[in-house]
Amino acid sequence: GAGVSQTPSNKVTEKGKYVELRCDPISGHTALYWYRQSLGQGPEFLIYFQGTGAADDSGLPNDRFFAVRPEGSVSTLKIQRTERGDSAVYLCASSPSGKSSYEQYFGPGTRLTVT
Amino acid sequence: RKEVEQDPGPFNVPEGATVAFNCTYSNSASQSFFWYRQDCRKEPKLLMSVYSSGNEDGRFTAQLNRASQYISLLIRDSKLSDSATYLCVVGSGYSTLTFGKGTMLLVSP
Repeated sequence: GAGVSQTPSNKVTEKGKYVELRCDPISGHTALYWYRQSLGQGPEFLIYFQGTGAADDSGLPNDRFFAVRPEGSVSTLKIQRTERGDSAVYLCASSPSGKSSYEQYFGPGTRLTVT
Repeated sequence: RKEVEQDPGPFNVPEGATVAFNCTYSNSASQSFFWYRQDCRKEPKLLMSVYSSGNEDGRFTAQLNRASQYISLLIRDSKLSDSATYLCVVGSGYSTLTFGKGTMLLVSP
């Protein structure tokens, strides 16, 4: 079956611009996660959705970052006034349940470069 | 103190060697433990879950020591295709997962 998909695969933007990153989870997965991975680091948690609601957004670094999942399926991560430090790979993962014992299935990521 | 700590490596081993990775975690309330594998410029994928009793999957053996808050992964008879970064991952309840920085393994012919 189809896995997690993310678009775009690469995004280059200028400092100060607004970007949207999209995630299509595996069909039927209620839990959706966004992570950010910088070079040489492990994925760093940003936000977790259970259905349509953000169950945990404690990983969002500041108020320039926002994410939505209006119908409980596709999610969009939105970054305002991008900064060079936002450059990273943004990974989305989905899971059948929000329990941490369940495997998370990752998408291929969006590589964001802020120039 | 970082929540999940791993030796970043790289570990350079010849084919057929046995190699072991270790990981420590700081949250004593952690309940779920995993090893994920990440190939260069690819997404992480679950390698195996780790249970207190220890578990084995083919050439891979994982161990958990809750008292010492320590997790290990042993790879026997290394293959060239085992070259990757191995991420130690810890979770608790309905909270999110915390990833280590990863340990890079390079298996050479």
